[in-house]
Amino acid sequence: GQNIDQPTEMTATEGAIVQINCTYQTSGFNGLFWYQQHAGEAPTFLSYNVLDGLEEKGRFSSFLSRSKGYSYLLLKELQMKDSASYLCAVLDSNYQLIWGAGTKLIIKP
Amino acid sequence: DADVTQTPRNRITKTGKRIMLECSQTKGHDRMYWYRQDPGLGLRLIYYSFDVKDINKGEISDGYSVSRQAQAKFSLSLESAIPNQTALYFCATSELAGDTDTQYFGPGTRLTVL
Repeated sequence: GQNIDQPTEMTATEGAIVQINCTYQTSGFNGLFWYQQHAGEAPTFLSYNVLDGLEEKGRFSSFLSRSKGYSYLLLKELQMKDSASYLCAVLDSNYQLIWGAGTKLIIKP
Repeated sequence: DADVTQTPRNRITKTGKRIMLECSQTKGHDRMYWYRQDPGLGLRLIYYSFDVKDINKGEISDGYSVSRQAQAKFSLSLESAIPNQTALYFCATSELAGDTDTQYFGPGTRLTVL
């Protein structure tokens, strides 16, 4: 079956750095997405990786290793507004998005 | 103005009632999706449509039906609502561009079935 694993919850301190991991087992791979979702709101697109390596976008970076079925989202200089859930999703061989359950990130002052 | 809109934003209904959730988009995307989200679970796909004449069942289509009235409109119906359909429902759109197919979400409809 297809499976995406990410931690349920993480806590970090304002101004610090946090890394949210995602491992996946899917039928084929056509890219990995990270979305941010504030409580009760819609998911919003953060990043897309299809090749191995690190993609940097401001305070957020996303890394992919296809051979290991692994990705992480790195958030730097954490701000209180970064408190949200972070969803990992993989586009499989049929171009279907398979979603992880999300990681709830709590930022403390 | 929002690119993907959903109506209503909140709905409380009773068991056995038929209800419709509507989604409209101005992004010009061909692909549209309906998801539900429950606490502690990932987004689960109910139905999807790659163009006006294409409708496909997702992971959890039982108890739901859809209609793609136009490129910009995709409606979800619950034929006879039951309490375990209480959830947050999202519509999304996308357009395949090269090898990527980024989905963009509407604001969601919070549905409560009593």
